[in-house]
Amino acid sequence: AQSVTQLGSHVSVSEGALVLLRCNYSSSVPPYLFWYVQYPNQGLQLLLKYTSAATLVKGINGFEAEFKKSETSFHLTKPSAHMSDAAEYFCAVSYNTNAGKSTFGDGTTLTVKP
Amino acid sequence: DAGVTQSPTHLIKTRGQQVTLRCSPKSGHDTVSWYQQALGQGPQFIFQYYEEEERQRGNFPDRFSGHQFPNYSSELNVNALLLGDSALYLCASSKAGVSYNEQFFGPGTRLTVL
Repeated sequence: AQSVTQLGSHVSVSEGALVLLRCNYSSSVPPYLFWYVQYPNQGLQLLLKYTSAATLVKGINGFEAEFKKSETSFHLTKPSAHMSDAAEYFCAVSYNTNAGKSTFGDGTTLTVKP
Repeated sequence: DAGVTQSPTHLIKTRGQQVTLRCSPKSGHDTVSWYQQALGQGPQFIFQYYEEEERQRGNFPDRFSGHQFPNYSSELNVNALLLGDSALYLCASSKAGVSYNEQFFGPGTRLTVL
């Protein structure tokens, strides 16, 4: 069985500050990990994915995430927050290459203060 | 490219009724997955269709059924609606046979059951 825990349902940062969104996973087999962003009234958009290649993954909009097997974590970071980053972020895990059957966390709402 | 489209945008039904939601995948995609996203939660996998057959299914009762047409579009049917079926229903499309294939999500259909 696989599961995802996102620590902190709400995160608030100031514009220009570091963004850190936490994700821990549980998987009995090597996982494939994803981060998605969801803006209001829109579907999910893939930010980045880990597929057992490089442990540091760079995504769109300046986001990156590091896979740490020893900590079973895949935290999302961005050096400098922008107002347009305000959205809901979801971490997801898949146990095979079929991303269609992914298990999602409950999401973290990111607020960016001016 | 219109991306993934879903209809209708919003829907209000009463308990016991039946509902059909529709999804057109992104051009070039042949696989459709359906998710249920309850308020404040992450998406939960319902099922996936490929070659007009249900290939994988999540932990949802038989009241949830689907169909895929030769043009790859898909329908999600829910019978005997319960209050707890109120949620955002997301459709995602992908291309089979592509490892670590990215899913593209539609904007969703918001279903309210009264």
